[in-house]
Amino acid sequence: QVQLQESGPGLVKPSETLSLTCSVSGGSISKYYWSWIRQPPGKGLEWIGYIYYSGTTNYNPSLESRVTISVDTSKNQFSLRLSSVTAADTAVYYCARYVAGPTAPATHFGYWGHGVLVTVSS
Amino acid sequence: QSALTQPASLSGSPGQSITISCTGTSSDVGAYNFVSWYQQYPGKAPKVMIYDVSIRPSGISNRFSGSKSGNTASLTISGLQAEDEADYYCTSYTTSSPRWVFGGGTKLTVL
Repeated sequence: QVQLQESGPGLVKPSETLSLTCSVSGGSISKYYWSWIRQPPGKGLEWIGYIYYSGTTNYNPSLESRVTISVDTSKNQFSLRLSSVTAADTAVYYCARYVAGPTAPATHFGYWGHGVLVTVSS
Repeated sequence: QSALTQPASLSGSPGQSITISCTGTSSDVGAYNFVSWYQQYPGKAPKVMIYDVSIRPSGISNRFSGSKSGNTASLTISGLQAEDEADYYCTSYTTSSPRWVFGGGTKLTVL
């Protein structure tokens, strides 16, 4: 069974860079699409972006100028970097794996990590 | 403001059926059959309940069903049970950016 685990600092200072890693176990990172999704406390879900194992990325325009998602196939991990953070970036950050549907290779988020709360505060 | 519109809250009694709507546009819900629904308990990660509008993943109760008409998708839960009390989110692939959009979520209360 595929398992995802987020890791990284739980506290980041304003204007600094948030860095998280998602470690994948129980399966290969290859041949799949992977995503980061966040959820501010008490609010809804926001898609941050995705990466294909080959390195192709697509980001939410609202974050694109500050976000980088990368993949390390040798470590079976992918990562998120979000620069110039503010209190508005305080959220639970989830990593997730897309799963194929009958007609496309990535139609829904079938596997999720437990999530990690990142607080932006001085 | 979320890209997809869901009712903020709904309630129902055990045994009843409820339907959660998810309204988008011709650029997302109306354009593709890539609408999925997620159940989320407090402090837990979301879990997919329906994908590609109406497909139930293995292990999901057949009390959960999905449909779509035009720019609006719907999740129906029949035979409500106490364990169905949770937040529900819809999401859809879009023709533009962002590529994936979520609804604002619906808090379901089982009375």
